[in-house]
Amino acid sequence: DGGITQSPKYLFRKEGQNVTLSCEQNLNHDAMYWYRQDPGQGLRLIYYSQIVNDFQKGDIAEGYSVSREKKESFPLTVTSAQKNPTAFYLCASSIIGGRPYEQYFGPGTRLTVT
Amino acid sequence: KNQVEQSPQSLIILEGKNCTLQCNYTVSPFSNLRWYKQDTGRGPVSLTIMTFSENTKSNGRYTATLDADTKQSSLHITASQLSDSASYICVVSVDSSGTDKLIFGTGTRLQVFP
Repeated sequence: DGGITQSPKYLFRKEGQNVTLSCEQNLNHDAMYWYRQDPGQGLRLIYYSQIVNDFQKGDIAEGYSVSREKKESFPLTVTSAQKNPTAFYLCASSIIGGRPYEQYFGPGTRLTVT
Repeated sequence: KNQVEQSPQSLIILEGKNCTLQCNYTVSPFSNLRWYKQDTGRGPVSLTIMTFSENTKSNGRYTATLDADTKQSSLHITASQLSDSASYICVVSVDSSGTDKLIFGTGTRLQVFP
């Protein structure tokens, strides 16, 4: 899991509520990423950020929002607009430049919405 | 469409035996290929990264091969241990505007029994 922490490990919410997942890294990496993992599917990119105060949508950004106010932190908010929010969420970070560059993953947060 | 396919979906072997996992991809433009190990409920951990010019790479008992002509990769595990029980994910990077975009396979779930 390297120097990436995600909290909480398990999260339960009622349908219609927004929820924020935490991701912090102490690797001094410029880039951070959020992925979603569902059973039987490969990881899918939600959002990524390569610099503070800037971020880009990934393949499945609808219903999610992010912020990058500090280099170390990249929180993900799952909004009530996300139709199927129950999933395993993974945060990752990497350097930029000197490709190929490794992406280091956090331990994940399992979100259950009922 | 960029795709990464892995086989088999699942595999059961006895401790001490060898096994080989397969990965086929249709990705363009190819940047590099990675193998990750993911324990249940945890984040993926990198095993190897191979660029176009590399056709084999080892990490302890794990050996990955890459045939860029046939767009195939394999991960060979030697003398399996109980701790090898995990999902193994093949990931191919696409060169996207100077950065790596990762395309994830769905993984092979390996179970090692005593």
